[in-house]
Amino acid sequence: AQSVTQLGSHVSVSEGALVLLRCNYSSSVPPYLFWYVQYPNQGLQLLLKYTSAATLVKGINGFEAEFKKSETSFHLTKPSAHMSDAAEYFCAVSEQGGSEKLVFGKGTKLTVNP
Amino acid sequence: GAGVSQSPRYKVAKRGQDVALRCDPISGHVSLFWYQQALGQGPEFLTYFQNEAQLDKSGLPSDRFFAERPEGSVSTLKIQRTQQEDSAVYLCASSLGFPRGEQYFGPGTRLTVT
Repeated sequence: AQSVTQLGSHVSVSEGALVLLRCNYSSSVPPYLFWYVQYPNQGLQLLLKYTSAATLVKGINGFEAEFKKSETSFHLTKPSAHMSDAAEYFCAVSEQGGSEKLVFGKGTKLTVNP
Repeated sequence: GAGVSQSPRYKVAKRGQDVALRCDPISGHVSLFWYQQALGQGPEFLTYFQNEAQLDKSGLPSDRFFAERPEGSVSTLKIQRTQQEDSAVYLCASSLGFPRGEQYFGPGTRLTVT
């Protein structure tokens, strides 16, 4: 069975500081990995996805993530936080060759302080 | 816009009532998913359609939950005899299908059972 663990339910950074949101996954087969962002009272928007091509994936709004198989990790980073980055972030996994369904982590709420 | 739409956006039901939640996917999207998001949690998979075929309903929590997509487009999630534990946001997503397509999410329906 697949699972996702997001370390830190709340992360607080200062505007301009590095953003690091952690995600570790468990999957018995090669995974596809995703990061989604959710603003209040809205649906989820895809930030980036790993589908077995390049291990460093660049997404929208300056975010990127690196797939590390040896560490079963897919951490999300952004060099300089902006106030508009304040939102909830979800890491998700699905199986290559399997069902398209996504298994999500519990989410990390990012606060950006001025 | 041509995104995923859901209706109603908010629904209050008395315990024991039946509810029906509608999802209009992006035109031409083959796959359609329903997820349940409890307060403070990540979305959890309920069920998945490819065109009109329901390929996976392993996430439906009980036989009170029923989903259909009769013409391979609009989908309805029905919950019979609602219980307080059904209170959650119900998210619908659609995708082009294989090769692994990005899932586009609707804004969700917030169901409150009183």
